[in-house]
Amino acid sequence: AQTVTQSQPEMSVQEAETVTLSCTYDTSESDYYLFWYKQPPSRQMILVIRQEAYKQQNATENRFSVNFQKAAKSFSLKISDSQLGDAAMYFCAYRSAFTQYGNKLVFGAGTILRVKS
Amino acid sequence: DVKVTQSSRYLVKRTGEKVFLECVQDMDHENMFWYRQDPGLGLRLIYFSYDVKMKEKGDIPEGYSVSREKKERFSLILESASTNQTSMYLCASSRSGSTSGSGETQYFGPGTRLLVL
Repeated sequence: AQTVTQSQPEMSVQEAETVTLSCTYDTSESDYYLFWYKQPPSRQMILVIRQEAYKQQNATENRFSVNFQKAAKSFSLKISDSQLGDAAMYFCAYRSAFTQYGNKLVFGAGTILRVKS
Repeated sequence: DVKVTQSSRYLVKRTGEKVFLECVQDMDHENMFWYRQDPGLGLRLIYFSYDVKMKEKGDIPEGYSVSREKKERFSLILESASTNQTSMYLCASSRSGSTSGSGETQYFGPGTRLLVL
């Protein structure tokens, strides 16, 4: 079974600085998808960024980028120019590319990001 | 925009009560999911459904059942609520991928925080 590990329960960053959230995963599959979701306090979870394992290029979405290291099974999220609105719980998630496993996501435990002004 | 709504934000029930959590999505998505979120454990899949009247167990189905009579609605049922079912419950939906699978995004509802006394 696949597992996702987020080793940082909490992180802090100064406004306008850069922060990196770590995620590692364990799988024997060669094709899969990886996601970062953001859950602001008392608000709905939203997708931040996703990565297809077969693509070597790291995904970017504005101030958010990932460092995908397939051999190391690592998928970190970098937030540049941090803003107060980035404060949230961030979840890393894995999804198999094979439908025999359904469409389910496997989540890490989450990292709380605090942004200091 | 995709909208996923859940019938209650907060719910307080007594041990032994039958509890219904309702989820509705407005984007004609084939897939719907129920997760529970607990501190330090991330999100864990309870059940999911890939079509009307179709359901599959997730990682922690014990003590729960589901119903999907209409495409837009997916209900989670706690047959006899217990204190260890106190948690945040999140519903999600996504469109169906191709037969080879795809990284379709899951869209989440706001969550129902359930307290069982």
